[in-house]
Amino acid sequence: NAGVTQTPKFQVLKTGQSMTLQCAQDMNHNSMYWYRQDPGMGLRLIYYSASEGTTDKGEVPNGYNVSRLNKREFSLRLESAAPSQTSVYFCASKSGNTGEKLFFGSGTQLSVL
Amino acid sequence: GESVGLHLPTLSVQEGDNSIINCAYSNSASDYFIWYKQESGKGPQFIIDIRSNMDKRQGQRVTVLLNKTVKHLSLQIAATQPGDSAVYFCAENVRGSTLGRLYFGRGTQLTVWP
Repeated sequence: NAGVTQTPKFQVLKTGQSMTLQCAQDMNHNSMYWYRQDPGMGLRLIYYSASEGTTDKGEVPNGYNVSRLNKREFSLRLESAAPSQTSVYFCASKSGNTGEKLFFGSGTQLSVL
Repeated sequence: GESVGLHLPTLSVQEGDNSIINCAYSNSASDYFIWYKQESGKGPQFIIDIRSNMDKRQGQRVTVLLNKTVKHLSLQIAATQPGDSAVYFCAENVRGSTLGRLYFGRGTQLTVWP
């Protein structure tokens, strides 16, 4: 039981390049989330998916798109990377929709030059 | 802005002492609170949670206290060990918010020295 798995762990992009961050969970959770974490700041929600086939914007969705491919997988895409998107990205999941703890992946360190 | 915040961004304690990490929140509709520990280079890990109908909850070496009157949350770590060195985040769930999502504070860096 691996929990939440993110790939890649590290990535360097040039401005304007695109890439997709992958996330998969094996806990049969319904809800999945993408957060970004910047120095001195808490986690900020980018997008979330309440269930397979649904996605919604969080606090900071601009410049990102997501796909809930199936119940296990939730990917985050940067179509045209910008230096402001340099951050650590975390995927998380939880089984219910209210008041239950999130399980996090180990993160993707992304640098945009 | 975020309603969940922290009084101190850093905390240094000696090994064996007790640690107290504080968190303030402003939304009286928050009904669930959670503490996470994040070690360098890793994702946040669940420590303990508490619902708003409780004042105190204990785990292994950790205790969370909730004071709804002053909207304050604290995490107490007993007999702090070097392995406790990490950033600690509090998060709240606002009743009725979309998906019951969590709002995170900025974090407190706990450093344990021998």
